[in-house]
Amino acid sequence: AQRVTQPEKLLSVFKGAPVELKCNYSYSGSPELFWYVQYSRQRLQLLLRHISRESIKGFTADLNKGETSFHLKKPFAQEEDSAMYYCALQYSSASKIIFGSGTRLSIRP
Amino acid sequence: GAGVSQSPSNKVTEKGKDVELRCDPISGHTALYWYRQSLGQGLEFLIYFQGNSAPDKSGLPSDRFSAERTGGSVSTLTIQRTQQEDSAVYLCASSSGVGTDTQYFGPGTRLTVL
Repeated sequence: AQRVTQPEKLLSVFKGAPVELKCNYSYSGSPELFWYVQYSRQRLQLLLRHISRESIKGFTADLNKGETSFHLKKPFAQEEDSAMYYCALQYSSASKIIFGSGTRLSIRP
Repeated sequence: GAGVSQSPSNKVTEKGKDVELRCDPISGHTALYWYRQSLGQGLEFLIYFQGNSAPDKSGLPSDRFSAERTGGSVSTLTIQRTQQEDSAVYLCASSSGVGTDTQYFGPGTRLTVL
């Protein structure tokens, strides 16, 4: 079965430090992968998606098919990055989207 | 335009009662999802509607849970004989249903079962 694993429930780093939120998936094909973010008192929203290959708010994520990973990275964390981050997988168009358990990122001043 | 809306925003009920949660997706979106968000459990997939296709109910935790989508628009999630472990935030999302597309989430309904 398809599965998304986020091993860290909580990640705390200092402002200005690099950030890496881990995401691993189990699926033998070529899935579409996403990162969603939920800021305090706001709705869950899309941060970035693999297919777009873009950088949003300084975050990037690279799909590594060999390691079945899609880690989210940012070189210099900012306080406003504090939020809950979810990795998600969609294994084909018109299929359900599966989420990981989420990582709470806390940026210390 | 209007985003995904959900009602009620909060629902407190007694164990054993039935509850109905409503989701209004973005107009024109053919795909609609229900998730459950619990502390420490992340986002648990419940059910997925796509156009006129049979819904994917593989995430429903028990036969006490059911969902309908009328006219390809509004959806209702029904929980019968609620239990305390049903307490969670229930999130609805919709997407255009075209390819692998972005989901837009509603604000959620916080369900508390006493």
